[in-house]
Amino acid sequence: KAGVTQTPRYLIKTRGQQVTLSCSPISGHRSVSWYQQTPGQGLQFLFEYFSETQRNKGNFPGRFSGRQFSNSRSEMNVSTLELGDSALYLCASSSREVGELFFGEGSRLTVL
Amino acid sequence: GENVEQHPSTLSVQEGDSAVIKCTYSDSASNYFPWYKQELGKRPQLIIDIRSNVGEKKDQRIAVTLNKTAKHFSLHITETQPEDSAVYFCAATLSNFGNEKLTFGTGTRLTIIP
Repeated sequence: KAGVTQTPRYLIKTRGQQVTLSCSPISGHRSVSWYQQTPGQGLQFLFEYFSETQRNKGNFPGRFSGRQFSNSRSEMNVSTLELGDSALYLCASSSREVGELFFGEGSRLTVL
Repeated sequence: GENVEQHPSTLSVQEGDSAVIKCTYSDSASNYFPWYKQELGKRPQLIIDIRSNVGEKKDQRIAVTLNKTAKHFSLHITETQPEDSAVYFCAATLSNFGNEKLTFGTGTRLTIIP
């Protein structure tokens, strides 16, 4: 069974631009979560989607948004990028019955 | 909301010795406590988890203990090996079916000294 796939793996943007990251969950997993990982801050929860609905949202500004499609694939978007948005963005999928999060390898965003 | 504190931030132990990482949480309603291991340049992976109706859980060389009264839980690794070197994250959440919103600690970088 293929794992969680995230694209792109690396990207460089400049302040003020926007970015869209993509995540394909493990087949059969309907829950997709997004986390931001920065040195010293650990993993911070962005949002979680289940069956195309956002069920939970973290404490991030409205510049961070996401969506989930009918095939469970998910995208997250960050608009008006700031230097502080530089981070590794991790997507994770889970089977509701199991509880374990399966992470992708992440998309490393650098904002210049 | 939930807040998870994790200590220490770095830990070095001799190969073969034991390592202990401690976490405290703030929300007494939290009922699911997983531990994730992240090797350098790799994705986090679940190594063990515990639910609030259990006080201790073991899986070979790793164990987790939970004290609901004090609101803290710990990861214990015995007979440490070089491949145990990684960053370990604890997390907590209130969940009935899965971990829809995990609050993570800030991580512990464990180094095993050969």
